[in-house]
Amino acid sequence: KAGVTQTPRYLIKTRGQQVTLSCSPISGHRSVSWYQQTPGQGLQFLFEYFSETQRNKGNFPGRFSGRQFSNSRSEMNVSTLELGDSALYLCASSFGTATNEKLFFGSGTQLSVL
Amino acid sequence: AQSVSQHNHHVILSEAASLELGCNYSYGGTVNLFWYVQYPGQHLQLLLKYFSGDPLVKGIKGFEAEFIKSKFSFNLRKPSVQWSDTAEYFCAVKGTGGFKTIFGAGTRLFVKA
Repeated sequence: KAGVTQTPRYLIKTRGQQVTLSCSPISGHRSVSWYQQTPGQGLQFLFEYFSETQRNKGNFPGRFSGRQFSNSRSEMNVSTLELGDSALYLCASSFGTATNEKLFFGSGTQLSVL
Repeated sequence: AQSVSQHNHHVILSEAASLELGCNYSYGGTVNLFWYVQYPGQHLQLLLKYFSGDPLVKGIKGFEAEFIKSKFSFNLRKPSVQWSDTAEYFCAVKGTGGFKTIFGAGTRLFVKA
């Protein structure tokens, strides 16, 4: 069974640009969560999608957005990039139907903003 | 609002030493609690979880954690660490009424051989 796949693995952008990250969940998983990981801050919750609907949202500015497609694949978009957006962006999937489910994580997309 | 606090950001131990990593959470309801681990170069993966029943839960590789409801704590323990336990450990909480998992800042453990 294939794991959670995130593309691209690395990205370098400049301030003001926008970026789109992609996540393919494990087959059968309908929930996709996105996190921003930075040293010392741990994983900051961005949002969670289930069956194409945003079910939960973290405390990030509106420049951070996402969507989920009918095949459960998800994309995250960051517009008007700032230096502080440099981070590892992690995607995690689960069935999304029981709150005691564990999350399955991808390898992440390392975003560097210059 | 949910939040998780991990007491130590960095821990250095010698092999065979005992480990206890502190975790406290804030949430106005019943919770599911998790410890995840990230070994160097690997994905985050589940170490153990608590959702009901016995507050002492056992996970992989000899780890265990105890849920103390009155203290809002879920501390991770291992009686004797190995060099291969070198990793970053994250405590996480998810309310039983939702699907938002909140993580702590993580604790980097380095075990000296």
